[in-house]
Amino acid sequence: QQPVQSPQAVILREGEDAVINCSSSKALYSVHWYRQKHGEAPVFLMILLKGGEQKGHDKISASFNEKKQQSSLYLTASQLSYSGTYFCGTGNQFYFGTGTSLTVIP
Amino acid sequence: GAVVSQHPSWVICKSGTSVKIECRSLDFQATTMFWYRQFPKQSLMLMATSNEGSKATYEQGVEKDKFLINHASLTLSTLTVTSAHPEDSSFYICSARRGGSPLHFGNGTRLTVT
Repeated sequence: QQPVQSPQAVILREGEDAVINCSSSKALYSVHWYRQKHGEAPVFLMILLKGGEQKGHDKISASFNEKKQQSSLYLTASQLSYSGTYFCGTGNQFYFGTGTSLTVIP
Repeated sequence: GAVVSQHPSWVICKSGTSVKIECRSLDFQATTMFWYRQFPKQSLMLMATSNEGSKATYEQGVEKDKFLINHASLTLSTLTVTSAHPEDSSFYICSARRGGSPLHFGNGTRLTVT
């Protein structure tokens, strides 16, 4: 039931891009993305409600492929503040994905 | 924005005692509250889902007699860890949502059982 994310971890230099993928073995009706800093609560990034939907804010965007039961989060021109663990999440009983640790270095 | 208050932020207790954690939605009525447990460097694992006025739905492997969840009103849910043991030490975090809206999280409670 837990969505699987890839990669598990990624290290970027400032300004580089990254893609985080989220795959579910069950049908996806909506996908949420969150970022969690160490020792803190997750922070909501965005929600995708419809297959084919793409949306973004600043340099972070996401897409939702309902047929493939997948969603991807795109981080462009990464900043140091992007460091953290990213989780996708879905379902009425809300399950988080396995998580992706992202570290941005100068 | 929607605010969820979780108390306490941390608690240290002796083995065998019980600990209660409160989760309040301060400026909205939460139709559903979720309780998660997170071990270091791991994902948030759903423990139970609760809807106001009804019994919580526990995930497989979560002992309902050990982790008592009460969702007394649309703004308050409590998690009581009964007869806590060192293996229950973890980061417990609640979240609340209204309908299909994004989840709003409390700041979490770090439980240490000695």
